[in-house]
Amino acid sequence: DTEVTQTPKHLVMGMTNKKSLKCEQHMGHRAMYWYKQKAKKPPELMFVYSYEKLSINESVPSRFSPECPNSSLLNLHLHALQPEDSALYLCASSQGGASGWGNQPQHFGDGTRLSIL
Amino acid sequence: RKEVEQDPGPFNVPEGATVAFNCTYSNSASQSFFWYRQDCRKEPKLLMSVYSSGNEDGRFTAQLNRASQYISLLIRDSKLSDSATYLCVVRGIKLIFGTGTLLAVQP
Repeated sequence: DTEVTQTPKHLVMGMTNKKSLKCEQHMGHRAMYWYKQKAKKPPELMFVYSYEKLSINESVPSRFSPECPNSSLLNLHLHALQPEDSALYLCASSQGGASGWGNQPQHFGDGTRLSIL
Repeated sequence: RKEVEQDPGPFNVPEGATVAFNCTYSNSASQSFFWYRQDCRKEPKLLMSVYSSGNEDGRFTAQLNRASQYISLLIRDSKLSDSATYLCVVRGIKLIFGTGTLLAVQP
């Protein structure tokens, strides 16, 4: 069982809908990540939160809006998505600290499989 | 040149074989290195971190060569359950996943 919980597991939405993906971890990790993964491709980093502040936005379109309400939760708000946004969205967390985000192993949730109609 | 490169494979090996994967990276200032495995339609799972002195965990050995900018993963006595995609991850300015190497262990 993964220690990073993502909901929902599957989501089908139209291009005009607004939905949110949720991610939760209780390992005390201070860095949290959103990735997008297309079939047969590696995960692509979208956002990094470190100590609840957005540290990295990898030029992600504004139709994706991350939010970190507290140290255990990470949301990804979706609005006006395109069919090419259909993918597996993975959340991960890692210890933060002085060494910074990304320098410690990441624990992944099992993802939300998103389909845009 | 891609920032992190791996041979996509597939590597088809018999049970019990020893198999090695390499991963090269372009940013000489990269700080941290990891190997993950990903099963089909599952999330990536950490296999091991890679340290400068090399490290071993059971049948798995990881090595880092900073001068040549590559990391390697050696799997001894392959099991059917080792079949997966192996992803190398490099933390430099960015955090980059390699494209992955597909391993298929045959009975």
